[in-house]
Amino acid sequence: DTAVSQTPKYLVTQMGNDKSIKCEQNLGHDTMYWYKQDSKKFLKIMFSYNNKELIINETVPNRFSPKSPDKAHLNLHINSLELGDSAVYFCASSLTPENTEAFFGQGTRLTVV
Amino acid sequence: QKEVEQDPGPLSVPEGAIVSLNCTYSNSAFQYFMWYRQYSRKGPELLMYTYSSGNKEDGRFTAQVDKSSKYISLFIRDSQPSDSATYLCAFPMNRDDKIIFGKGTRLHILP
Repeated sequence: DTAVSQTPKYLVTQMGNDKSIKCEQNLGHDTMYWYKQDSKKFLKIMFSYNNKELIINETVPNRFSPKSPDKAHLNLHINSLELGDSAVYFCASSLTPENTEAFFGQGTRLTVV
Repeated sequence: QKEVEQDPGPLSVPEGAIVSLNCTYSNSAFQYFMWYRQYSRKGPELLMYTYSSGNKEDGRFTAQVDKSSKYISLFIRDSQPSDSATYLCAFPMNRDDKIIFGKGTRLHILP
């Protein structure tokens, strides 16, 4: 009974392509997040949605667009992929935006070639 | 059995106390062991990273790994109110691989 699941687990694609990573949580949480893991293993927050509304939008290229069809789903769409987009992307959810007890997905390793 | 188990707390201790945070894991293939700290509305930051059994010390923080028991701990000495955060244990399968996170323990240090 996976709490936060993201697909795919691995994604290899060519520069210039458009790709999406999907995330779903079955915990009934209101808040979902996308993080990018940097080379030092630090997780940089990219976006956060609370009940389908965007509440955190950090400085990321506008090629990255999150979409939340309902509060259980937060998908990340990336246009015109670049080599520097290669990273591990984590989805997470928490009960509220103030609740730091976050449940993480297992990550998606994106490799742009 | 869950792959990683971590008590969510909250754990409240007085300032100056020694804090002990723990995780158990079931996958014997885990080779690397990490602790992250997360403040409210911030991303998790890596605190400690080790790949061997035994203790690793960094300032007031000590990470302890017992591979035979599949048990890891983070000790915080002389705890400060600024240590109040959520602490997550994390396990990458390989050095640069994806990471399996524990659910995090909320820690409150009382002044």
